[in-house]
Amino acid sequence: KAGVTQTPRYLIKTRGQQVTLSCSPISGHRSVSWYQQTPGQGLQFLFEYFSETQRNKGNFPGRFSGRQFSNSRSEMNVSTLELGDSALYLCASSLGRKNTGELFFGEGSRLTVL
Amino acid sequence: GDSVTQMEGPVTLSEEAFLTINCTYTATGYPSLFWYVQYPGEGLQLLLKATKADDKGSNKGFEATYRKETTSFHLEKGSVQVSDSAVYFCALAAGGTSYGKLTFGQGTILTVHP
Repeated sequence: KAGVTQTPRYLIKTRGQQVTLSCSPISGHRSVSWYQQTPGQGLQFLFEYFSETQRNKGNFPGRFSGRQFSNSRSEMNVSTLELGDSALYLCASSLGRKNTGELFFGEGSRLTVL
Repeated sequence: GDSVTQMEGPVTLSEEAFLTINCTYTATGYPSLFWYVQYPGEGLQLLLKATKADDKGSNKGFEATYRKETTSFHLEKGSVQVSDSAVYFCALAAGGTSYGKLTFGQGTILTVHP
C-alpha cells in the first residue's frame, strides 16, 4: 500500500513569490491535514480537509490556503512568501474518523525562501 | 488553548539503558494522547496511543500510561537500541469535530550510542 506522497520534496523560492504543494493521501483515506515544522516553533497545525471541505484551521495568516479534491488529493498554497515561511511542510492522511489522532505522514516538502 | 510540554533534549544514552521522556499536557475535556517518532530521513510515524485515563499504550518495547491526575503521558523503554535514535513527539487530539488536528510537543531528540 503506497504511503502519503508529497511533491515537490524540495523547493527554493524568493520573497514575494507564491508556492503550491501537493499531497496524495493513502488510498481510501478521506481526511488530509497539513502541518508546518520549524526548529523554533516545532510542529504547528495549518488546516485539515474532509470531503473537500476545510474542517479546521490553525493560527496562520490568510496567505496560507488549501483545498481538497474529489479524489482526496490536497494542495496547499502560500502566497507572498516571507523568509519566515521557510519550513518543512508535512501532509498527513487518515481514514476520516473523528479524533482518532492516527495520522499517516508524508516525508514533507522542504521550502526555502531566500 | 491545548498545549503539550516535553522534556528538553537532546537525550543521549548508551545501548541497553533505560529511557524516560516526560510529557505533560493541558487540554479541556478528555483528549487522546499519542507518541509519534520521526526517524532520520523519514516521516512521522505513530508509535503508540492511549484514549482514556489509565490506558497504557505500548509498541516496540515502548510504553506510556495516560495519567489524568498528573496530566502526563511519559514515554518509557527498558532497554534502548541504537535503532531507537530518532525524534520523539508527544501529541494530543482534543475532543470535538477534528479529523486530523493534533497539538504536538516540541520534540525530544534521542541519540543512542553502542
